[in-house]
Amino acid sequence: QSVLTQPPSASGSPGQSVTISCTGSSSDVGAYNYVSWYQHYPGKAPTLMIYEVTRRPSGVPDRFSGSKSGNTASLTVSGLQAEDEAEYYCSSYGGSNNWVFGGGTKVTVL
Amino acid sequence: QVQLVESGGGVVQPGGSLRLSCAASGFTFSIYNMHWVRQTPGKGLEWVAFIAYDGSNKYYAESVKGRFTISRGNSKNTLFLQMSSLRVEDTAVYYCAKDMGSGSFSFDSWGQGALVTVSS
Repeated sequence: QSVLTQPPSASGSPGQSVTISCTGSSSDVGAYNYVSWYQHYPGKAPTLMIYEVTRRPSGVPDRFSGSKSGNTASLTVSGLQAEDEAEYYCSSYGGSNNWVFGGGTKVTVL
Repeated sequence: QVQLVESGGGVVQPGGSLRLSCAASGFTFSIYNMHWVRQTPGKGLEWVAFIAYDGSNKYYAESVKGRFTISRGNSKNTLFLQMSSLRVEDTAVYYCAKDMGSGSFSFDSWGQGALVTVSS
């Protein structure tokens, strides 16, 4: 059972948008602006897509955006492309020198 | 470019020990904090351990505290995870991950993982 709650799956057609939620608590997501999102293809190294809730590392397309409201963070992928089909994980600093993750959301491009 | 390569995974019996290594290249290893993160079968990711850039601070998830030890060799750009008293539930793919730094509390580079199977 992961500390952060994500829907197990999400889907959209090419060109559409998909939003993934990540629900934590007032001890992690709600307490810190240190939410990050990772894209993971099976058998590959995960890739950082969003950090500090809304910031994109260089090289990440601006189709990926992050937000947060209260204890829930969200990742939105706009203009879905076939290569966006992957597992996405959220993470938050949980305080007391601890990091927490979500269970992952499988995004399918229809 | 940043490269992290884990090694040392394998099959071990419950109660046994294993040592993972992570060879780092493409960045100045000695100035970055590092982590181990694992992915258990059918489940999500779980943070395991943190070590400061100079080894001065180490933190562990409650699930591994007292059994796992994180360390590093800055002269050889290598991160380690010594795992003891292994349990079936420690079966996972173990990733080493580079801390992004600048107080971002995120992981900006990951290895491809090392599979650890704990089974009798």
